[in-house]
Amino acid sequence: AQKVTQAQTEISVVEKEDVTLDCVYETRDTTYYLFWYKQPPSGELVFLIRRNSFDEQNEISGRYSWNFQKSTSSFNFTITASQVVDSAVYFCALSSPSGSARQLTFGSGTQLTVLP
Amino acid sequence: GAVVSQHPSRVICKSGTSVKIECRSLDFQATTMFWYRQFPKKSLMLMATSNEGSKATYEQGVEKDKFLINHASLTLSTLTVTSAHPEDSSFYICSARDVAGDVKTQYFGPGTRLLVL
Repeated sequence: AQKVTQAQTEISVVEKEDVTLDCVYETRDTTYYLFWYKQPPSGELVFLIRRNSFDEQNEISGRYSWNFQKSTSSFNFTITASQVVDSAVYFCALSSPSGSARQLTFGSGTQLTVLP
Repeated sequence: GAVVSQHPSRVICKSGTSVKIECRSLDFQATTMFWYRQFPKKSLMLMATSNEGSKATYEQGVEKDKFLINHASLTLSTLTVTSAHPEDSSFYICSARDVAGDVKTQYFGPGTRLLVL
């Protein structure tokens, strides 16, 4: 069975603070993919990153960075120097062969509010 | 690239009517599209997997006669909510994978807000 847990339901930070969104996953597969999506108030899901299970290198893209650790089955997302425009719901998701047709298993999401 | 559109973006209908939602991949071909439903402040729930040229695969608990899916071309999938009732009011989102590109990533449409009165 696959499962993605985002324990933080809501987070509020003040602009320019750093914030880390946690994601813990469960899968029996050795090959799998992890994703982060952003859902702003408009509703559209915006793809942020995909990471495969064989690549544990951390990735940085501008103010965004991701820390993938297989030992703890975690794929955490950090926003540095947060901005008001970062306010959104962020979803972590998992795709693996156990899920038919490479379906995505979503976490419950973390509502991030960045205050001015 | 990898743009997915949905139409309409918002629809209000009377109870008992049917509503059709279109999902299009604008700049790529998609043999597989996915339909999700999202309730307020909740995560996305997969309803069905739409396969071009064949029947859709529905998730457990989703009524296939209630939510009709047609994937007639490599760029278009439609979801028809038949005889809609107020409990069908929700945010419906589709996604697609680029068959010739990054097949591991799903790209999402902007969603359709359905309100059944």
